[in-house]
Amino acid sequence: GAVVSQHPSWVICKSGTSVKIECRSLDFQATTMFWYRQFPKQSLMLMATSNEGSKATYEQGVEKDKFLINHASLTLSTLTVTSAHPEDSSFYICSARDSTQYFGPGTRLTVT
Amino acid sequence: QQQVKQSPQSLIVQKGGISIINCAYENTAFDYFPWYQQFPGKGPALLIAIRPDVSEKKEGRFTISFNKSAKQFSLHIMDSQPGDSATYFCAASNSGSRLTFGEGTQLTVNP
Repeated sequence: GAVVSQHPSWVICKSGTSVKIECRSLDFQATTMFWYRQFPKQSLMLMATSNEGSKATYEQGVEKDKFLINHASLTLSTLTVTSAHPEDSSFYICSARDSTQYFGPGTRLTVT
Repeated sequence: QQQVKQSPQSLIVQKGGISIINCAYENTAFDYFPWYQQFPGKGPALLIAIRPDVSEKKEGRFTISFNKSAKQFSLHIMDSQPGDSATYFCAASNSGSRLTFGEGTQLTVNP
């Protein structure tokens, strides 16, 4: 099956700093990638839809200036959490779509 | 109308038993219904998926039953094993657009 990778798998950063998470489709080209966040024992919450070469579409309530998404190529999308705060601590998961959606392994972000 | 309701929230089954998880949707435009399996600290993995032109799909021990008129679909795990212990999410989408997820079911299979 198709493989999606994320880097890093976990990151700890200090409050006020920014952190970048990479999402790569390893064996297919993904015109569309999605970014989710997941809190413990909860479902996945879609944050934004990222289309290659265009601006991301953010879900209602998601601050686009805080969660910067770039999808510069058909195999790479990045999520940058700017000026991170402890409430941004969460599990961030990307997915990439060809005929179906394949999910990455997730990135655990802890903001201290 | 975009919601997908999933039940039960948690499920405990004995090894060898059948695990059944149910989902109901409202949007009749949904045309793709996948199930995902997620282990702690990992991303969801596609388990099995169905489209509304069939009423059942089976892959190994996993079966999706689909009832278009009732707008319901369910996952059956036959001969459940301790290694099946995970969180299961149903989802639905319309023509490959964004997935709408259910709330998740935490399955525990006791040895």
